[in-house]
Amino acid sequence: NAGVMQNPRHLVRRRGQEARLRCSPVKGHSHVYWYRQLPEEGLKFMVYLQKENIIDESGMPKERFSAEFPKEGPSILRIQQVVRGDSAAYFCASSPGQSVDTQYFGPGTRLTVL
Amino acid sequence: EDKVVQSPLSLVVHEGDTVTLNCSYEVTNFRSLLWYKQEKKAPTFLFMLTSSGIEKKSGRLSSILDKKELFSILNITATQTGDSAVYLCAATNSGYSTLTFGKGTMLLVSP
Repeated sequence: NAGVMQNPRHLVRRRGQEARLRCSPVKGHSHVYWYRQLPEEGLKFMVYLQKENIIDESGMPKERFSAEFPKEGPSILRIQQVVRGDSAAYFCASSPGQSVDTQYFGPGTRLTVL
Repeated sequence: EDKVVQSPLSLVVHEGDTVTLNCSYEVTNFRSLLWYKQEKKAPTFLFMLTSSGIEKKSGRLSSILDKKELFSILNITATQTGDSAVYLCAATNSGYSTLTFGKGTMLLVSP
């Protein structure tokens, strides 16, 4: 059974470029969560999506950040015009339903903005 | 704003020691508290606690929740070098299933 897959594992971007982070949930899971872990900080919730719907994006910055979870394919977290402060590890988690004890995390994408 | 605070932030022990990690929380409409172990990759689930006073155990790890004093502890007995990791505490409220995390406790077990 494949767990949550994230790619790329490492991403380097220059300031002003776009970053696209992908998350493939556990097969059969229709709920996806994105978290960001800044250096010396804990994981912080960004956005919660179900297939084709954003349920809660209260933790996501209003500008430059967007997320989607289409009917087919992985969930995408998109960061436009990246800045150095966006450098962090971005984790995706998935669950079959709204039950946190079955929220499985992926290995994360480490974004470095030069 | 919901808040989770873990202590200590880091800890170094010798193999065989027993450690206690602390987690306090301030969460509106608190629902549950979770512990995760994070090595160099994905956080892996350890425990979920929803009721006070009921200890959960898994091998050498155990955890308990005190909803009156708003804290939880994670105990690890007879520590091994493989226990070296960051231990994360997170809380949920009665809303959607999003987690509020603490900063973690970095545990290093030396041989």
